[in-house]
Amino acid sequence: EDKVVQSPLSLVVHEGDTVTLNCSYEVTNFRSLLWYKQEKKAPTFLFMLTSSGIEKKSGRLSSILDKKELSSILNITATQTGDSAIYLCAVDTGGFKTIFGAGTRLFVKA
Amino acid sequence: GAVVSQHPSWVICKSGTSVKIECRSLDFQATTMFWYRQFPKQSLMLMATSNEGSKATYEQGVEKDKFLINHASLTLSTLTVTSAHPEDSSFYICSARAALTGGRKNEQFFGPGTRLTVL
Repeated sequence: EDKVVQSPLSLVVHEGDTVTLNCSYEVTNFRSLLWYKQEKKAPTFLFMLTSSGIEKKSGRLSSILDKKELSSILNITATQTGDSAIYLCAVDTGGFKTIFGAGTRLFVKA
Repeated sequence: GAVVSQHPSWVICKSGTSVKIECRSLDFQATTMFWYRQFPKQSLMLMATSNEGSKATYEQGVEKDKFLINHASLTLSTLTVTSAHPEDSSFYICSARAALTGGRKNEQFFGPGTRLTVL
């Protein structure tokens, strides 16, 4: 059975801290791994990763995929209160299925 | 963990026909279900929010007569795309919010999505 597991489930940090969110997967077919930030209406797309070892960056956020370990991490440096959200990891298995993880709830204290 | 399923996984239909997509919470009761549409570049758009036993709340720009949502029970919501056209071809994802999950109250769980192709 295809599954995506995220850890930790929740995290509380102080502004300025650096956080690392983890995502591991077990899927029959892998096409890409996606990271989303969910605050209100709909998850906002952050990154799509297809190749191992290539870091993707957007401001203070970065992510990397390790296909050998079947995992990915999302790093957020110098966290701000506006980073408080649920971060979702999903794996596109190609064709007709995207498997979402349960998410990591991040709370950044001022 | 909580599981949300969608059926069918994929569907191909002719233009003008209607298609029904089911979203089920398999091991928990979902007071609220959400329907999203995935666009190119992986962005998700919230289409509507449905609460069990009441009418769905549609987002601005989403035609409620075209995308009929029914949330008849605490474990089932359906999205019917009426008179589908090729521009409705997309990936439709549902998520369900649990009524109570102990330490993770009100958490959302996502279904695997349904790929709709309208010819």
